[in-house]
Amino acid sequence: GDSVTQMEGPVTLSEEAFLTINCTYTATGYPSLFWYVQYPGEGLQLLLKATKADDKGSNKGFEATYRKETTSFHLEKGSVQVSDSAVYFCALNGAGGGNKLTFGTGTQLKVEL
Amino acid sequence: DTGVSQDPRHKITKRGQNVTFRCDPISEHNRLYWYRQTLGQGPEFLTYFQNEAQLEKSRLLSDRFSAERPKGSFSTLEIQRTEQGDSAMYLCASSSYEANTEAFFGQGTRLTVV
Repeated sequence: GDSVTQMEGPVTLSEEAFLTINCTYTATGYPSLFWYVQYPGEGLQLLLKATKADDKGSNKGFEATYRKETTSFHLEKGSVQVSDSAVYFCALNGAGGGNKLTFGTGTQLKVEL
Repeated sequence: DTGVSQDPRHKITKRGQNVTFRCDPISEHNRLYWYRQTLGQGPEFLTYFQNEAQLEKSRLLSDRFSAERPKGSFSTLEIQRTEQGDSAMYLCASSSYEANTEAFFGQGTRLTVV
């Protein structure tokens, strides 16, 4: 079945550092890929998405490129801020229909001054 | 529209009791999903509705769990004879099939079974 693997956290960075959170997936067909973010005490929010190979999703300075050849969707940001501290989830919407999501286990990011 | 809302936000119950959670989706969304999230894990799909029809149920949804969406608007998730292993965050999400939107999530109901 479908699965998503994320790098384990927590990831601790200094403000303005470069961020990469790795995400790889296993799925049949051509899934859509997503990054969701969960700030403390809040619900999941969509950060960005990509629906086909080589698409780049971007939002709030974050980017991720759908790489079919490596089955990856790594999240990057050039300069993180303290306000980016949250848990980040990679997810896919498989070919099984219904738009249900398969999530990774999440990566906690802590950004310090 | 203020987004997906869930009630209650927190529920503490004794083992063996029944509990019911409510989800109100974004009004124009015809798809509604339930997920369960345990500590340190990502959300896991439980079930989804398109309008009032329950179209898929995960094998995670044991016989003690039942979900309804009687008029295609709000949904309820009931857990009968709760067990300590049911302690988790229960998340509801909604989306629009026609508009092919991504899923929007509520803040969840945190269940603690003691």
